[in-house]
Amino acid sequence: SQTIHQWPATLVQPVGSPLSLECTVEGTSNPNLYWYRQAAGRGLQLLFYSVGIGQISSEVPQNLSASRPQDRQFILSSKKLLLSDSGFYLCAWRRQLETQYFGPGTRLLVL
Amino acid sequence: AQSVTQLGSHVSVSEGALVLLRCNYSSSVPPYLFWYVQYPNQGLQLLLKYTTGATLVKGINGFEAEFKKSETSFHLTKPSAHMSDAAEYFCAVRGNPNDYKLSFGAGTTVTVRA
Repeated sequence: SQTIHQWPATLVQPVGSPLSLECTVEGTSNPNLYWYRQAAGRGLQLLFYSVGIGQISSEVPQNLSASRPQDRQFILSSKKLLLSDSGFYLCAWRRQLETQYFGPGTRLLVL
Repeated sequence: AQSVTQLGSHVSVSEGALVLLRCNYSSSVPPYLFWYVQYPNQGLQLLLKYTTGATLVKGINGFEAEFKKSETSFHLTKPSAHMSDAAEYFCAVRGNPNDYKLSFGAGTTVTVRA
């Protein structure tokens, strides 16, 4: 069966510091991968998606970037965090024509 | 483009009462529709989905939803609420199988009163 991992589970970072969140999927190959953000009291915002290694599509202009160095690894990064980057970050995966499945999430607090 | 509207950001029900969460969609093609549930500090879990075929879809935890094309709706119901149903619920739509993205509603938070 397929599983999706995210780490860290919780992160507290100062403003201006860098960020790296990691997502990995097991038990499948060539998945579509997604990064979402949930800000407090708001719905899900799609940040990035990837259909293959090195292929990244950005949905909204922002302070974040994404990379996919391996087939089942998706990384969310920032060079300098802003207060507004605080939120709950969710990674998701999907095989072609199938349902999206979500990871457990990373809670990020920028102080 | 596809979109969903969830009517009511908060719903409060008594334990044992009917749970009804409303979702209306907009799609230029026959939609694929989904309901997800999110418990505090966790990821989203798929409750049920409609793709094609039977319009009444049964999911996990006793939930079901009915696709009504004429009303562009996909409302989620459960006959008898349980305390464990307290969570946030998201409706989502995808326009066709090859569409990479889901469009999510804003979510409905359900509280269950003892």
